[in-house]
Amino acid sequence: KAGVTQTPRYLIKTRGQQVTLSCSPISGHRSVSWYQQTPGQGLQFLFEYFSETQRNKGNFPGRFSGRQFSNSRSEMNVSTLELGDSALYLCASSPARDSWEFFGPGTRLTVL
Amino acid sequence: AQSVTQLGSHVSVSEGALVLLRCNYSSSVPPYLFWYVQYPNQGLQLLLKYTTGATLVKGINGFEAEFKKSETSFHLTKPSAHMSDAAEYFCAVSGGLTGGGNKLTFGTGTQLKVEL
Repeated sequence: KAGVTQTPRYLIKTRGQQVTLSCSPISGHRSVSWYQQTPGQGLQFLFEYFSETQRNKGNFPGRFSGRQFSNSRSEMNVSTLELGDSALYLCASSPARDSWEFFGPGTRLTVL
Repeated sequence: AQSVTQLGSHVSVSEGALVLLRCNYSSSVPPYLFWYVQYPNQGLQLLLKYTTGATLVKGINGFEAEFKKSETSFHLTKPSAHMSDAAEYFCAVSGGLTGGGNKLTFGTGTQLKVEL
């Protein structure tokens, strides 16, 4: 079974731009979560989607948004990028909402 | 609300020595507990998990952890360290359906160094 895939793996943007990251979960998994990892703040939960509905949201500004499609693939969008948004963005998938998560390799976003 | 505390941001052991990484948690609902490992420039790999049942859980690569409710701990151990174990280890907690679904709250991580 293929694992969680994330595209692109690396991204460089400038302040003020917006970015969209993509995540394809493991086949059959319906839950997708997103996390931000930075040296200063560590691993922080962004949001969780299940069956195309956002079920949980972390403490991030409204510039961070996401969605999930009917095939469970998910995208997250960050608008008006700031230098502090530079991070590794990790996507995780799970078969259910009371299960455990399998992580993708991440997308490394650099904001200049 | 849930939180995780990992004692020791850096741990160094000799190859062949016992590995002990400490994790204490706080949770308002019965916790699901996890240990993940991260190698440089990679995502997180699940080492082991506790959801219900047996409190001593065995994971991949010879790691195990014991859920101790009275101590609110979930320490990770391995009897004999190998050079390939050098990585960053994260303890995490979630609350299952009663406490936030799959939302993971992570500790700050412990960087394990294995020396010859």
